[in-house]
Amino acid sequence: GENVEQHPSTLSVQEGDSAVIKCTYSDSASNYFPWYKQELGKRPQLIIDIRSNVGEKKDQRIAVTLNKTAKHFSLHITETQPEDSAVYFCAASGGDKVIFGPGTSLSVIP
Amino acid sequence: EPEVTQTPSHQVTQMGQEVILRCVPISNHLYFYWYRQILGQKVEFLVSFYNNEISEKSEIFDDQFSVERPDGSNFTLKIRSTKLEDSAMYFCASSINFGAGELFFGEGSRLTVL
Repeated sequence: GENVEQHPSTLSVQEGDSAVIKCTYSDSASNYFPWYKQELGKRPQLIIDIRSNVGEKKDQRIAVTLNKTAKHFSLHITETQPEDSAVYFCAASGGDKVIFGPGTSLSVIP
Repeated sequence: EPEVTQTPSHQVTQMGQEVILRCVPISNHLYFYWYRQILGQKVEFLVSFYNNEISEKSEIFDDQFSVERPDGSNFTLKIRSTKLEDSAMYFCASSINFGAGELFFGEGSRLTVL
């Protein structure tokens, strides 16, 4: 089955700097790659997603890139703000389930 | 804005007891899921459900677990005989598209097994 790895597990950045989180997946049949943000004690919420027919997608300060050949995808957050502090999960899906990575705890230091 | 609702928000139970966690998915969604998150760990897939049957389940979803859609609105997760290691946050989710669209999560049900 699908296995999703994610690095780093923790990340601290200064406010205004960029943050990059990288993921790999194992199942070449996966074709949908969402990113979820989970604030402490809250539910995961989708922040951006990308499908396998697209290499890059951007939404304001957030961008995601996908390399299907290498089975890598990454999240880029620019101009980080304290409210970006949360746990970020990448995920991969090829059909009837979405498999999450282990998460990255991002701390943005004011 | 419609959202997935879950009850109870927190349940404490004794080891060996049966627990039922309830979810009301978003009304026009057809695909339903249960996920589990042990404190501080990742969100783990348990089961997906469509057209009144399980479509996929993980190794975690053993014979102690079952799901049901008893009526047109509720989606339940039953744990027959709880173990200490079942203590976790259980999230219900629903989606319009199967496996390739946004999962809308409920706020979760925290299960504590003593």
